[in-house]
Amino acid sequence: AQSVTQPDIHITVSEGASLELRCNYSYGATPYLFWYVQSPGQGLQLLLKYFSGDTLVQGIKGFEAEFKRSQSSFNLRKPSVHWSDAAEYFCAVGGRGDYKLSFGAGTTVTVRA
Amino acid sequence: EAGVAQSPRYKIIEKRQSVAFWCNPISGHATLYWYQQILGQGPKLLIQFQNNGVVDDSQLPKDRFSAERLKGVDSTLKIQPAKLEDSAVYLCASSLDRTGGATEAFFGQGTRLTVV
Repeated sequence: AQSVTQPDIHITVSEGASLELRCNYSYGATPYLFWYVQSPGQGLQLLLKYFSGDTLVQGIKGFEAEFKRSQSSFNLRKPSVHWSDAAEYFCAVGGRGDYKLSFGAGTTVTVRA
Repeated sequence: EAGVAQSPRYKIIEKRQSVAFWCNPISGHATLYWYQQILGQGPKLLIQFQNNGVVDDSQLPKDRFSAERLKGVDSTLKIQPAKLEDSAVYLCASSLDRTGGATEAFFGQGTRLTVV
């Protein structure tokens, strides 16, 4: 069975500080991994995805994530957060031949001035 | 490029009533998904269509939920009768992939359902 764990329910970070969101997955084969962001009242927007190749992937809005197979992790990072980064972030896993995307419970990010 | 369109944005109904949601995916996208997102949780896949055929509906409560995708384009999701625990945001998503496997999905803004 596939699953995603996001250990942090809520993170508060100062504007300009760095941000790291944790994601651990369980998947029986080579995973496809995604990070989505959801602002209040909005749908999910894809930040970045990993299918294969370079384990450090760059996304939109200055985000990056690193795939570590040995740790079954796909953590999201941003060097300097902006107030507009306040939102909920979801990690998801799927795979080739597996039609189901499984999402984590999400991490809410609050940015303080 | 137009995104995934969903309607209505909000719906309030009483328990035991019926409700329907509509989704228009991005033009040309073969795969369409319906997800249920309960407050405080991540989205959960209810049903996935590839063109107009069902690929996965293992988590769809078939005694009360139904979905169809006519002509492989628009889709409707229906709940009849609704229960209090059906209160959630219903998200529609589509992806281009025609050969199977998880690929980038584009999401609509969702329909927020409140059952009272």
